[in-house]
Amino acid sequence: DVKVTQSSRYLVKRTGEKVFLECVQDMDHENMFWYRQDPGLGLRLIYFSYDVKMKEKGDIPEGYSVSREKKERFSLILESASTNQTSMYLCASSTSRGGDSYEQFFGPGTRLTVL
Amino acid sequence: GIQVEQSPPDLILQEGANSTLRCNFSDSVNNLQWFHQNPWGQLINLFYIPSGTKQNGRLSATTVATERYSLLYISSSQTTDSGVYFCAVERNTGRRALTFGSGTRLQVQP
Repeated sequence: DVKVTQSSRYLVKRTGEKVFLECVQDMDHENMFWYRQDPGLGLRLIYFSYDVKMKEKGDIPEGYSVSREKKERFSLILESASTNQTSMYLCASSTSRGGDSYEQFFGPGTRLTVL
Repeated sequence: GIQVEQSPPDLILQEGANSTLRCNFSDSVNNLQWFHQNPWGQLINLFYIPSGTKQNGRLSATTVATERYSLLYISSSQTTDSGVYFCAVERNTGRRALTFGSGTRLQVQP
């Protein structure tokens, strides 16, 4: 079974802090994604990566950066956390072997509160 | 961008009832998935169904790609089926990311 894990289920940080959210998958997937979920706005794509050291901006990349140094790990970085980044963050992964798209699998999510 | 519309937005059922959830999308897609979000926020994969029909126990799904819609059927509903059901699509652009609908909130009462 595919397993996607996230470093924390709940996180509380102060405004201005640098925040790292970590995601690890164990299925050798090429593609990894970060989404955030907010009431009334749904799930929105922040960044994604389809290979080591590769990254692409999603729909709402402002205020975030990412790092993918190893295939199994994709990190989301909030350089200077702000209260409007309080949200549920969800990581996902998928494979594209053979050129086809395959289903995405999600981690359990991290509920981040910025005070 | 692509529009993904789910209906109904809210649904209340008695235990044992059947229901149909609908997902309409505005452009051709490579991938369509149905998820159930549990009370702790985890997205549980229900179906990967870019076209055709699949069944898994009391749940089944049908996607008619040429008409740009998908249906999720829940039969003999149970209280554990409660939660939010999301439809999500991957556009035919090579971007590989999902665009989500706004979800259907299902409440199954005993």
